[in-house]
Amino acid sequence: TQLLEQSPQFLSIQEGENLTVYCNSSSVFSSLQWYRQEPGEGPVLLVTVVTGGEVKKLKRLTFQFGDARKDSSLHITAAQPGDTGLYLCAGEGEIQGAQKLVFGQGTRLTINP
Amino acid sequence: EAGVTQFPSHSVIEKGQTVTLRCDPISGHDNLYWYRRVMGKEIKFLLHFVKESKQDESGMPNNRFLAERTGGTYSTLKVQPAELEDSGVYFCASSRLHYSGNTIYFGEGSWLTVV
Repeated sequence: TQLLEQSPQFLSIQEGENLTVYCNSSSVFSSLQWYRQEPGEGPVLLVTVVTGGEVKKLKRLTFQFGDARKDSSLHITAAQPGDTGLYLCAGEGEIQGAQKLVFGQGTRLTINP
Repeated sequence: EAGVTQFPSHSVIEKGQTVTLRCDPISGHDNLYWYRRVMGKEIKFLLHFVKESKQDESGMPNNRFLAERTGGTYSTLKVQPAELEDSGVYFCASSRLHYSGNTIYFGEGSWLTVV
């Protein structure tokens, strides 16, 4: 059974600070996706990383896929109150395209003004 | 383009009753997925339809859960009889058939409370 351990589960920081969220597994994933979920809504895809060592940037968010494709991180620079939300990582199994996702438990991020 | 639509958004039923959740995927999306999140746990895969066929139902917890997708359009997920541990949020998601970085779109979820 593939598992994704996401940490921290809760994070509260001040506006302007940097933060990193981690997703770790002992399993290899064909891709790793990061989602953001707002209250009362479903998860919304932020980015997909596919290649080991891949780094993608989305404004102040930097996503990295580990070289062995077993772990990933989300780094936010100069966090803003608008970044507050639930962030989820999700791994796709060994066969890309199967789209059976394994989710981490999520990180509830609060950015205080 | 309309997103993935789920109905009902909230449902409160008694243990032993039946509930049917409905999902309308984005038009043209042949892949349809059901996921659920029970309290304190991560979102977990239930099953995957490709058009009207069940591609993978390895996540269905037991035979009290029945999913259908007649005609390859909307899907229903029936829980009969419901148990307390079935409480949670049930998400439906859809995507285009050929995966080449295609995005999976999630609905807002159906909150189920079994009392």
